[in-house]
Amino acid sequence: SYELTQPSSVSVSPGQTARITCSGDVLAKKYARWFQQKPGQAPVLVIYKDSERPSGIPERFSGSSSGTTVTLTISGAQVEDEADYYCYSAADNNWVFGGGTKLTVL
Amino acid sequence: QVQLVQSGAEVKKPGASVKVSCKASGYTFTSYYMHWVRQAPGQGLEWMGIINPSGGSTSYAQKFQGRVTMTRDTSTSTVYMELSSLRSEDTAVYYCASWDLIVGATGDDAFDIWGQGTMVTVSS
Repeated sequence: SYELTQPSSVSVSPGQTARITCSGDVLAKKYARWFQQKPGQAPVLVIYKDSERPSGIPERFSGSSSGTTVTLTISGAQVEDEADYYCYSAADNNWVFGGGTKLTVL
Repeated sequence: QVQLVQSGAEVKKPGASVKVSCKASGYTFTSYYMHWVRQAPGQGLEWMGIINPSGGSTSYAQKFQGRVTMTRDTSTSTVYMELSSLRSEDTAVYYCASWDLIVGATGDDAFDIWGQGTMVTVSS
């Protein structure tokens, strides 16, 4: 089965750029999604197909892909972006989330 | 309004079963797969399984094979997740979530909707 590896935590100051990586063999063959989850809330999709942004998601959220790694970038991170972020992908009847990254903005 | 509404919190004893429902509205129920994802307290998201609301086919994470059953009722646009032989480690919030366009259906690749979550507590 596939695995997706994320850093457990990332910390930036407000206005800085936050980058969260996600690595795994499945990413070489399938797209990734990124979800944002704030305490006590259901996850929210912020990026799909590696780099597409759903309507309503601020432009400061972007995604990129290179080989077996995808990256979520938050340009000019805001305090309200502090949350847990999860990558996700699926291939060959395997569906998997990354372990999650806690983003701290302070 | 596009939404998934789940059934309420449950408290179960070890060894029992729990059945959580998820009612869809505001979109074409049979156009997108339904996933079940759980989250233990303080832990990450864990993918459990998927059901095709159109044909009813399912796939489950190996970890839950033999203990989980996902079904759907197209007449009420509702999917169900039943987990048996409960143990304390199954204490978690269980989410239904719809994404991934079914082959042959028309829709949006960006479609993504989650239920509000159902807390299942397993305790003697």
